Amino acid sequence: DIQMTQSPASLSASLGETVTIQCQASEDIYSGLAWYQQKPGKSPQLLIYGASSLQDGVPSRFSGSGSGTQYSLKISSMQTEDEGVYFCQQGLKYPFTFGSGTKLEIK
Amino acid sequence: QVQLKESGPGLVQPSQTLSLTCTVAGFSLTSYNVHWVRQPPGKGLEWMGVIWNTGGTRYNSALKSRLSISKDTSKSQVFLKMNSLQTEDTATYYCARGRYYSGYYFDYWGQGVMVTVSS
Repeated sequence: DIQMTQSPASLSASLGETVTIQCQASEDIYSGLAWYQQKPGKSPQLLIYGASSLQDGVPSRFSGSGSGTQYSLKISSMQTEDEGVYFCQQGLKYPFTFGSGTKLEIK
Repeated sequence: QVQLKESGPGLVQPSQTLSLTCTVAGFSLTSYNVHWVRQPPGKGLEWMGVIWNTGGTRYNSALKSRLSISKDTSKSQVFLKMNSLQTEDTATYYCARGRYYSGYYFDYWGQGVMVTVSS
């Protein structure tokens, strides 16, 4: 199985700060990567697919980049509503696998 | 609009079979695939399996021997059955619509159904 390693496990950011979350795959996943945000008691919501494509309705302060085994999610200006847990997911090989999550809080 | 909703028992006894239903709206099961993903309390996400628009299935090998996914296209419903449940199967179970762009991803999710395995 492809292992997805996310970092950091948690972080806190001030309003307006730029935040970057990293995701490393155990093998090349050829941009088959998605990012999700999950808030307490809610289901995950898609932010980014294909490593860098923004899902409809997602604010433009979210962006994704990367290739090969290294990917990142950037929030250009942290807002209070961005608090939550962020997961990466590879969709190239079965079984599809998720990172362990990054908990993002407001400082 | 696109909606998915899971339903099923909240409590299942150990060694019994779990049966869940995912009812979808706003899209056809003949055009889209539906995946099942679960999340133990306070933990990460585990992909369980998929039923394709064609009716074919693919399962996580870790669950393959216990898991079955089927659908009734006319009722817009997808079914999950998993046998020999143990306490470690306690989780919130989600169904999600699958899409493909460089890889598979999930663009719409149900609200989830919490299943507790306990006697």
